[in-house]
Amino acid sequence: GENVEQHPSTLSVQEGDSAVIKCTYSDSASNYFPWYKQELGKRPQLIIDIRSNVGEKKDQRIAVTLNKTAKHFSLHITETQPEDSAVYFCAASIPGNTPLVFGKGTRLSVIA
Amino acid sequence: ETGVTQTPRHLVMGMTNKKSLKCEQHLGHNAMYWYKQSAKKPLELMFVYSLEERVENNSVPSRFSPECPNSSHLFLHLHTLQPEDSALYLCASSQDEGTTSPLHFGNGTRLTVT
Repeated sequence: GENVEQHPSTLSVQEGDSAVIKCTYSDSASNYFPWYKQELGKRPQLIIDIRSNVGEKKDQRIAVTLNKTAKHFSLHITETQPEDSAVYFCAASIPGNTPLVFGKGTRLSVIA
Repeated sequence: ETGVTQTPRHLVMGMTNKKSLKCEQHLGHNAMYWYKQSAKKPLELMFVYSLEERVENNSVPSRFSPECPNSSHLFLHLHTLQPEDSALYLCASSQDEGTTSPLHFGNGTRLTVT
């Protein structure tokens, strides 16, 4: 089955700097890659997703890139703010009625 | 405000107790899920229901028993749990079981087994 590895497990950046979180997946058939943000004590929420027919997607300060050949995808956050501090989870899934497989999460701390 | 509501928010139970977690979604979704979230581990999928039928059970111990009486409600019945079952239990829903449907999570139930 699918396996998703996520790095780093923790990340600290200065406010205003960029943050990058990387994930790799094992099943080349995977075609859907969402990212979830979970603030302390709150539920995970979808922040951006990408499908395998595109290589990059942006939404304001957040972008996701996908390299299908290398089977990895990354989350990029620019101009980080303290409210970006949270745990970020990547996930991947293959076509059909199969559940998402999540990475272990990255705890991002933005230092003011 | 979330369209997925979980109760209770916190639960402390002994190993011999029986309790139930409740989840309700107001989004008109057809699929509902139970996830377990432990420290330093990925989100672990426990059960998937699609149109009220269980479609996946990821080898979860029988001390966890799900129930989906309709497409809006999902329960997780707990009995004779172990301390290692202490975790955050998250309910989620999606429009369909298919992978193109984003998950909407509830706020979770923080379970402590003593």
